[in-house]
Formats: sequence, C-alpha cells, structure tokens
Amino acid sequence: AQTVTQSQPEMSVQEAETVTLSCTYDTSESDYYLFWYKQPPSRQMILVIRQEAYKQQNATENRFSVNFQKAAKSFSLKISDSQLGDAAMYFCAYRSSQGGSEKLVFGKGTKLTVNP
Amino acid sequence: DTGVSQDPRHKITKRGQNVTFRCDPISEHNRLYWYRQTLGQGPEFLTYFQNEAQLEKSRLLSDRFSAERPKGSFSTLEIQRTEQGDSAMYLCASSPPPTSGRTDTQYFGPGTRLTVL
Repeated sequence: AQTVTQSQPEMSVQEAETVTLSCTYDTSESDYYLFWYKQPPSRQMILVIRQEAYKQQNATENRFSVNFQKAAKSFSLKISDSQLGDAAMYFCAYRSSQGGSEKLVFGKGTKLTVNP
Repeated sequence: DTGVSQDPRHKITKRGQNVTFRCDPISEHNRLYWYRQTLGQGPEFLTYFQNEAQLEKSRLLSDRFSAERPKGSFSTLEIQRTEQGDSAMYLCASSPPPTSGRTDTQYFGPGTRLTVL
C-alpha cells in the first residue's frame, strides 16, 4: 500500500520569505499523481498544485512550486514571497493512475504559520 | 461554477443514534468521494462512486456505514448506531469525467463535522 510522510508537523516563515515543506512517499508504481492541498482554519481544502509522475518538469503555480524527485520519492512544496493568507495546514497526497483505485492517500499535514 | 456543498455543516448526536449526511458535487462531475478526517490527521478515504456505482470501499467503512448515490448526482453517507469514535470531519469531493477536465483532481466540499456525545 502507498504511504505519504510529512516529517514537519509545524513550520513557520516570515512574511515575504520563502519556505519549503517536505513530503516523501512510498510506492511500487511507476505512474501516479501527487498533490499539495491547503486547508485554512475552519475552511475547506483547496488544491494548491498537481504533479504527474511521468513528467520530469516540476509544476509551478504562481508563488508555489514543487521539487519532484522521482527516484528519491520526494515531493516538496516551495512557497515564495509568503503571505499572511498562506497560513494553513498543508497536505501532501498521492493518487495512483493504475489499477483503478482513485483514492487519495494523504500525509498527516504540516501546519504553516506566517509571521508578519 | 458552484463548488461541492455538504449538509449539514455540523451535527451533534448522542451515541447510538443514526445520522445521515448529504453531498452535492460540482455539476457534471461524475466521480464522488467520501473521506474522514480526525483531529490532527490527514483525510482517510472511505468510498468512491462513479456515477451511481460504488466502485471502491475502504476497510474503514464498517457495516455501520453506508453510502449511496442513487441517481448519480448527490450522495448520502449514513452512520448507524454512532459511537464516540465516529466523531470526525466527513469530507466529500468530486472530480470530472476525462472528457471534461482533469479527472485525477478532486475538489473538496467544506465538510460535515460530527460530534458524538
């Protein structure tokens, strides 16, 4: 079974600075998807960024980018120019693209605090 | 384009009672998912529908839990004889068919927070 590990329960960053959140995963599959979701306090989970495993190029969405290292099974999220609104729980998630399973497997999350 | 909606947003019940939650997916999304999230944890998969067919169920979904999506639109999740361990946030998500968008991406609703006393 696939597992996702987020080793940083909490992180903090100064406003306008850059922070990197770590995620590692375990799978025997060669093709899959990886996601970062953001869950603000008492608000719903929203997609931050998505990566297809067969693509070597790292995904980028405005201030958010990933460092995808397939061999190392690592998928870190970099937030540049951090803003107060970035404060939230961040979850890394894995989805198979094989075998018919469409479930997302989530890590335990990293709580990001942005200091003014 | 309205998002995924869930009702109710909060539910407090006594142990042993039955509860039912509703999820309305984004229009034209044919895939619908249920997850459970306990405090301090990431969401855990419960079950998944493609149209009205329930295609995957987690071992977490005990026989006290049942989910339906009778017409391939909204879905209900029922918990019978609730236990204190059922207290959690129940999240619903949907995703589009391959012809309409990124079917691999799931869009989440606000969740239903269940408290069992």
